[in-house]
Amino acid sequence: QPVLTQSSSASASLGSSVKLTCTLSSGHSSYIIAWHQQQPGKAPRYLMKLEGSGSYNKGSGVPDRFSGSSSGADRYLTISNLQSEDEADYYCETWDSNTQVFGGGTKLTVL
Amino acid sequence: EVQLVESGGGVVRPGGSLRLSCAASGFTFDDYGMSWVRQAPGKGLEWVSGINWNGGSTGYADSVKGRFTISRDNAKNSLYLQMNSLRAEDTALYHCARGTTGVDYWGQGTLVTVSS
Repeated sequence: QPVLTQSSSASASLGSSVKLTCTLSSGHSSYIIAWHQQQPGKAPRYLMKLEGSGSYNKGSGVPDRFSGSSSGADRYLTISNLQSEDEADYYCETWDSNTQVFGGGTKLTVL
Repeated sequence: EVQLVESGGGVVRPGGSLRLSCAASGFTFDDYGMSWVRQAPGKGLEWVSGINWNGGSTGYADSVKGRFTISRDNAKNSLYLQMNSLRAEDTALYHCARGTTGVDYWGQGTLVTVSS
């Protein structure tokens, strides 16, 4: 069963860019993941599915400022031109053989 | 517009049972696998259970295996989670979610509190 590792926190300034990382466990480096955003007090929101090739498909209404990329077992979520509303928790998710798993989440602070 | 509306949460004593429901609309329900994901207060997301489009294949987190049962009624566009032998550590907001190979829509959740 895959394990997803995320840093617990990140911060960046308003208008800048930030790159969040989700790392797949050994033996699972080819897995597709999904990124989700959870703003304070709200339900999670699907952002995108991201393949090991770096190809991604975003959910409906997700701004162009959000993009994905990959390198080996690492899956990245880049947010450009940070806005105050981007301050949220970000989770990655993957799946295998009738199970799904979430990373521990990264709390993003916009300074 | 895709909508997932959960119900059935509440306060229950340890050892008790609850049945959660999720009413789905805005998409062809039996085209999709469905999941339950929970979030304990102040904690991250935890996958609980998933079911394929026709109910023929299910999966459970180790923490709930043998106590929870997921099911669906495609005629009613509804997803269910029967929760038995509830424990304090099951206290969480339970979200209904579309998809078992990557969630792409989330419900707002229904709160389950297990307390004596």
